[in-house]
Amino acid sequence: NAGVTQTPKFRVLKTGQSMTLLCAQDMNHEYMYWYRQDPGMGLRLIHYSVGEGTTAKGEVPDGYNVSRLKKQNFLLGLESAAPSQTSVYFCASNRDMAGNEQFFGPGTRLTVL
Amino acid sequence: GDSVTQMEGPVTLSEEAFLTINCTYTATGYPSLFWYVQYPGEGLQLLLKATKADDKGSNKGFEATYRKETTSFHLEKGSVQVSDSAVYFCALSYAGNNRKLIWGLGTSLAVNP
Repeated sequence: NAGVTQTPKFRVLKTGQSMTLLCAQDMNHEYMYWYRQDPGMGLRLIHYSVGEGTTAKGEVPDGYNVSRLKKQNFLLGLESAAPSQTSVYFCASNRDMAGNEQFFGPGTRLTVL
Repeated sequence: GDSVTQMEGPVTLSEEAFLTINCTYTATGYPSLFWYVQYPGEGLQLLLKATKADDKGSNKGFEATYRKETTSFHLEKGSVQVSDSAVYFCALSYAGNNRKLIWGLGTSLAVNP
């Protein structure tokens, strides 16, 4: 099993450009999450999904959109990138029990110039 | 609201020293508690967890006990190694909030030889 994979690993964008980050998991997990990690601010939840075809806002959703068309994939989109979106983005997934751990991908380092 | 507070870092120790990283929480439900670790340049991975009061989670020489009376989940290790240098995150989740993890801000640990 590959676990949780993320593509790309690194990306540099110019302000106003768009891009999509792809997260894939092969563990048949129902729940998937997108976080951003910034120095001194820990992990902040952007959007999450509780199953195929569902999405919900986290604590910092502005400027991002997501889609969960297939159970194994969770896409994060930036329609018009801003320098404030420079961050490391992590995807995670878990099963449908509160005591289960979240499994994390290796992260995507995004720089917006 | 739900929250996790952990001691600020960075923490710097010499090899073989005793480690404690404090974590306290507030939650409206009955949470599961977690410690995640992030090694440099990597994603987060679960270190240990506890799902009910008085449970002790342990892994790789680290331990933490779920203390409901003090709402705490302090991380301890008797003898740290250079390879333990990482950022440690305390977190909680429960069924009532869609299994979302509520994160502490992380504590950076540096172990010197």
